[in-house]
Amino acid sequence: RKEVEQDPGPFNVPEGATVAFNCTYSNSASQSFFWYRQDCRKEPKLLMSVYSSGNEDGRFTAQLNRASQYISLLIRDSKLSDSATYLCVVKSTDKLIFGTGTRLQVFP
Amino acid sequence: DAMVIQNPRYQVTQFGKPVTLSCSQTLNHNVMYWYQQKSSQAPKLLFHYYDKDFNNEADTPDNFQSRRPNTSFCFLDIRSPGLGDAAMYLCATSRDGGPSEKLFFGSGTQLSVL
Repeated sequence: RKEVEQDPGPFNVPEGATVAFNCTYSNSASQSFFWYRQDCRKEPKLLMSVYSSGNEDGRFTAQLNRASQYISLLIRDSKLSDSATYLCVVKSTDKLIFGTGTRLQVFP
Repeated sequence: DAMVIQNPRYQVTQFGKPVTLSCSQTLNHNVMYWYQQKSSQAPKLLFHYYDKDFNNEADTPDNFQSRRPNTSFCFLDIRSPGLGDAAMYLCATSRDGGPSEKLFFGSGTQLSVL
């Protein structure tokens, strides 16, 4: 079983739609959780950290469920510029473990 | 202003010909990482330095070596590249590797092996 699992997608959604991604992790001792965004052939960039109480940054909302060991990302009012791959990232001991990413394509 | 700089952006090498990728940082961070990312796959950690302490991942092939001559620079050496080593190589830094610290990535070096 992979340490961090994501549905690879692609998720094809129209502008203005709400879309949600989930991610599961296997190590119950994982300490920190993040969502990174990666554009094609570019480096990953931090989108947001994920806190136990859930957190929101504009149109983006992240949730953590430690009991079920999953993390979610909700994007409201999708923009064309949101098209990218979204990587779920989990910190266990001293290293970051990346998921393979979920590809989002927003169309006009 | 770029804070983690990788050179070159694209590198082409021949099968079996040694190649070195470089990374420099202006952040004065203690930790530097090298990740390998193949197409449609997750970035995979190869090794990292905490200051001068080298930490190799158990499944990183011996073909991959690294050097960190000072705080600012870190190099990835591939001694005998194979076709399977074609990938994006990402350098990243963090201040102290703490649990909630973000990583700062360079723009990556796309390696092709002919």
